[in-house]
Amino acid sequence: NAGVMQNPRHLVRRRGQEARLRCSPVKGHSHVYWYRQLPEEGLKFMVYLQKENIIDESGMPKERFSAEFPKEGPSILRIQQVVRGDSAAYFCASSLDRGQETQYFGPGTRLLVL
Amino acid sequence: EDQVTQSPEALRLQEGESSSLNCSYTVSGLRGLFWYRQDPGKGPEFLFTLYSAGEEKEKERLKATLTKKESFLHITAPKPEDSATYLCAVQVVPGNTGKLIFGQGTTLQVKP
Repeated sequence: NAGVMQNPRHLVRRRGQEARLRCSPVKGHSHVYWYRQLPEEGLKFMVYLQKENIIDESGMPKERFSAEFPKEGPSILRIQQVVRGDSAAYFCASSLDRGQETQYFGPGTRLLVL
Repeated sequence: EDQVTQSPEALRLQEGESSSLNCSYTVSGLRGLFWYRQDPGKGPEFLFTLYSAGEEKEKERLKATLTKKESFLHITAPKPEDSATYLCAVQVVPGNTGKLIFGQGTTLQVKP
């Protein structure tokens, strides 16, 4: 009974490097959400994707951040030229459908930017 | 602006001491309200979904209720293993992206 899987669990990057975070949803789920939890802050929505489509990216920073959910393979959250303020826990969630369907969360990726 | 506020920020209870956590929301329209539990270093774990005022859900020592303005998570005779951060989140209408808007959470500590 595999839930949402995320890797890596911990990622250390130096300023200016790229970070790639991966998320494999629950088997059969085609809706993926990314959230960010900054230190001492609550979870904030970033982006919602279906297979090969970005549905809502209203929570994504305008620059350096991108996300994809290809037909095959995991969803990827990519952060280019990381800065210290990007240090946070990034959580992926998946659901069977949108709307009233429950979202199930992965264990998160803790990104530390040195 | 859609908003979720949880209180208290932190709560300390003795084992067996029942209490309630509050989640107040101000939204254009409520599609659903969700309760999650988060342990340190882990992802949120789903507890309950409530859709309409008057609805109640129960699971072991936890009971969630919903009114038109707030939700309560009642914890009856808590045990130390109930210690965690409890998160409340809403999905709103109009709009159908399904994104969750979270409160800041209530950190519960239950002492033996």
